[in-house]
Amino acid sequence: AQSVTQLGSHVSVSEGALVLLRCNYSSSVPPYLFWYVQYPNQGLQLLLKYTTGATLVKGINGFEAEFKKSETSFHLTKPSAHMSDAAEYFCAVSGTGANNLFFGTGTRLTVIP
Amino acid sequence: KAGVTQTPRYLIKTRGQQVTLSCSPISGHRSVSWYQQTPGQGLQFLFEYFSETQRNKGNFPGRFSGRQFSNSRSEMNVSTLELGDSALYLCASSSRLAGGTNEQFFGPGTRLTVL
Repeated sequence: AQSVTQLGSHVSVSEGALVLLRCNYSSSVPPYLFWYVQYPNQGLQLLLKYTTGATLVKGINGFEAEFKKSETSFHLTKPSAHMSDAAEYFCAVSGTGANNLFFGTGTRLTVIP
Repeated sequence: KAGVTQTPRYLIKTRGQQVTLSCSPISGHRSVSWYQQTPGQGLQFLFEYFSETQRNKGNFPGRFSGRQFSNSRSEMNVSTLELGDSALYLCASSSRLAGGTNEQFFGPGTRLTVL
């Protein structure tokens, strides 16, 4: 079975500061891992994904995440926060060959000017 | 290429009624998945359809059902609505290629309010 835990339902950072959103996963099969962003009244937009290969994954809008199997983690980072990054972020996992995603509870990111 | 479209965007129903939501996937995508998003339960997988067949089902009661048409468009139906069914219903499409990365593209959602 697959599951995801996101630590911190709310994270606040100052504009220009490092963004770190934490995600730990549990999976009985090699996982596919995803980070999605959701802006108010919108659907989910894929930021980045890990399937196989390079463990450091770069995504859109300057975000990146590192897959650490030993720590079962897939934390999302961005070196310098921008006001437009304020949104809710979801980590998700799926098993290989499966299309159903298991989402974390989400982390709401606030960027303070 | 047009994205995933969902209709209607907003819906208000009363308890006991039924509702049908529609989803048109990205052209060429044959997999459609549905998710329910609520403040209390977060994002939960409802079911997935591929080539008009339900391939996967989440842990929801039988009041929640769906179908997929030959053009890959999908509908989901909720019968005997309850207050707790108020949620944002998201549809996602995927090409579901063998060995693919399972990347899913989400629509904007249908916000259902049950009074």
